[in-house]
Amino acid sequence: AQSVAQPEDQVNVAEGNPLTVKCTYSVSGNPYLFWYVQYPNRGLQFLLKYITGDNLVKGSYGFEAEFNKSQTSFHLKKPSALVSDSALYFCAVRDKGNTDKLIFGTGTRLQVFP
Amino acid sequence: DADVTQTPRNRITKTGKRIMLECSQTKGHDRMYWYRQDPGLGLQLIYYSFDVKDINKGEISDGYSVSRQAQAKFSLSLESAIPNQTALYFCATRPPRDRGGTPSYEQYFGPGTRLTVT
Repeated sequence: AQSVAQPEDQVNVAEGNPLTVKCTYSVSGNPYLFWYVQYPNRGLQFLLKYITGDNLVKGSYGFEAEFNKSQTSFHLKKPSALVSDSALYFCAVRDKGNTDKLIFGTGTRLQVFP
Repeated sequence: DADVTQTPRNRITKTGKRIMLECSQTKGHDRMYWYRQDPGLGLQLIYYSFDVKDINKGEISDGYSVSRQAQAKFSLSLESAIPNQTALYFCATRPPRDRGGTPSYEQYFGPGTRLTVT
């Protein structure tokens, strides 16, 4: 079955330090991968996607993600965390059986401390 | 995203009541989705629609129904609400193609409706 896994429920990082939010996927063939962010009392906002091409994808708010096919991972990264980055982050993969659907992970809460 | 609006934003209702959640979009997208979000479970797809005449069940459609009144409007109904339908509900839209003409798969979400069934 197709799925994405976010192994960490919460990630804590100090402001100014690099951050990584992990995501692994289980999809046959080439995956289409996405990251979304959810701020309190808001809907999910699209951050970035990997479809094909460069393994390092740049997105909104200074975030980037690295696609690693051998490790089936798509980790979200930022070189220098901000307190305002504190939010809930979701990884998602396009459902190959029904390409109009996205399969979401369970989310990782990022807490950036001043 | 102000282009996708949901009403109401918060609702408390009693078991057995019928309730409708509404979603409107000004993005001109043809595809619309309804999800529910529960803590620790991520987002689960309830229903989705490609256009006014095309409605499809998602993973957890039991106890829910939808209506696509127009391209811009997609409503979710709980015919007889029960407490385990207490959740955060999101509407989302998606264009068939991005500006470059290639298929687009990212979805754009409304602010959500927090529903509590007592």
